[in-house]
Amino acid sequence: DAGVIQSPRHEVTEMGQEVTLRCKPISGHNSLFWYRQTMMRGLELLIYFNNNVPIDDSGMPEDRFSAKMPNASFSTLKIQPSEPRDSAVYFCASSRTGNSYNEQFFGPGTRLTVL
Amino acid sequence: AQRVTQPEKLLSVFKGAPVELKCNYSYSGSPELFWYVQYSRQRLQLLLRHISRESIKGFTADLNKGETSFHLKKPFAQEEDSAMYYCALSGQGGNKLVFGAGTILRVKS
Repeated sequence: DAGVIQSPRHEVTEMGQEVTLRCKPISGHNSLFWYRQTMMRGLELLIYFNNNVPIDDSGMPEDRFSAKMPNASFSTLKIQPSEPRDSAVYFCASSRTGNSYNEQFFGPGTRLTVL
Repeated sequence: AQRVTQPEKLLSVFKGAPVELKCNYSYSGSPELFWYVQYSRQRLQLLLRHISRESIKGFTADLNKGETSFHLKKPFAQEEDSAMYYCALSGQGGNKLVFGAGTILRVKS
């Protein structure tokens, strides 16, 4: 298994442009998480899905951010329009949830730079 | 509200010295605590969880509910321990994690 797959690995864009980040979770995992990592705030949970349904999006910074999970093997995080303060590393993670916590497996991240 | 505090951004120690990475949490219920590690050019991965009470790569962490702490310790640091370490908390029965800001551990030779 290749683990959680994210694309692109690096993205450089100009302010105002739309950015779409992609994630493929580990097969069989039913929870998917999007995180943002910055030096100032560390690792912040943006949104998570359980069985393709968004459960908690309280971490999504504002309406410019949206996330979808159309099926069990694919999710997107979209920023429209992008701003320089969105520059960060965005991680996707997945887990298989049961009655108690299950380990989250992280992707390699997408480093986003907004000029 | 759930909160995790890691007071040190950077901890620098010499090889062979003891290491303690601090983590304090805020949660009204019974939490589950974890340490995740990110080595250079590698993915973030689980290091250990408090319910397992295990030692991984020489690291241990004890949950102290009185002090609401979950400090990560190792008696003798090795250069390969250099990495970013995140403390994380999960509420009862939940699968959502709240992470601290992270601590960079640098082990010097």
